[in-house]
Amino acid sequence: AQSVAQPEDQVNVAEGNPLTVKCTYSVSGNPYLFWYVQYPNRGLQFLLKYITGDNLVKGSYGFEAEFNKSQTSFHLKKPSALVSDSALYFCAVRPGDSNYQLIWGAGTKLIIKP
Amino acid sequence: DTGVSQDPRHKITKRGQNVTFRCDPISEHNRLYWYRQTLGQGPEFLTYFQNEAQLEKSRLLSDRFSAERPKGSFSTLEIQRTEQGDSAMYLCASSLDSRTYEQYFGPGTRLTVT
Repeated sequence: AQSVAQPEDQVNVAEGNPLTVKCTYSVSGNPYLFWYVQYPNRGLQFLLKYITGDNLVKGSYGFEAEFNKSQTSFHLKKPSALVSDSALYFCAVRPGDSNYQLIWGAGTKLIIKP
Repeated sequence: DTGVSQDPRHKITKRGQNVTFRCDPISEHNRLYWYRQTLGQGPEFLTYFQNEAQLEKSRLLSDRFSAERPKGSFSTLEIQRTEQGDSAMYLCASSLDSRTYEQYFGPGTRLTVT
């Protein structure tokens, strides 16, 4: 079965420190990879995506993500965390043989402490 | 605001009643998706439209659920004979007509069945 795993339910980081939110996947073909963020009482917001090319992609709000094909991972990173980054983060993967389907991770709650 | 909009934002209904939700996608987006999200989980795919054609429907979706996109613009999701297990956040998303494009989400409709 195809799946996306976010192994940490919650990540705690001090403000100003680097942060990493992990995502690994098991899907068919060459996937397209996405990160979304969800703030309380708001819809999911697109952060960044990997389609092809450079393994390091940059997105909104200073976030970046690194695609690692051999490890089937797509970890979200930010060099210096802000308190306002506290939110729920979702990794989503479109299998290479799908025209529309997105497989979602269960989400990781990121808490940035002042 | 030219993002995806959903109406209503909240709906409380009694078990056995029918409910209908509306989604207005971003105007130039051909694709429209419906998802269901419960607490602590990622979005669960329900159905997908390309223009007015409903191209895919989740096997998990019971016959009580129906969706339409009559003119390829707004969409409605109807749940008949609601059950307590239908309580969830119902999300609508839209995207351009390509597998590489990200989906943009509305704020969601929170359904509570009492």
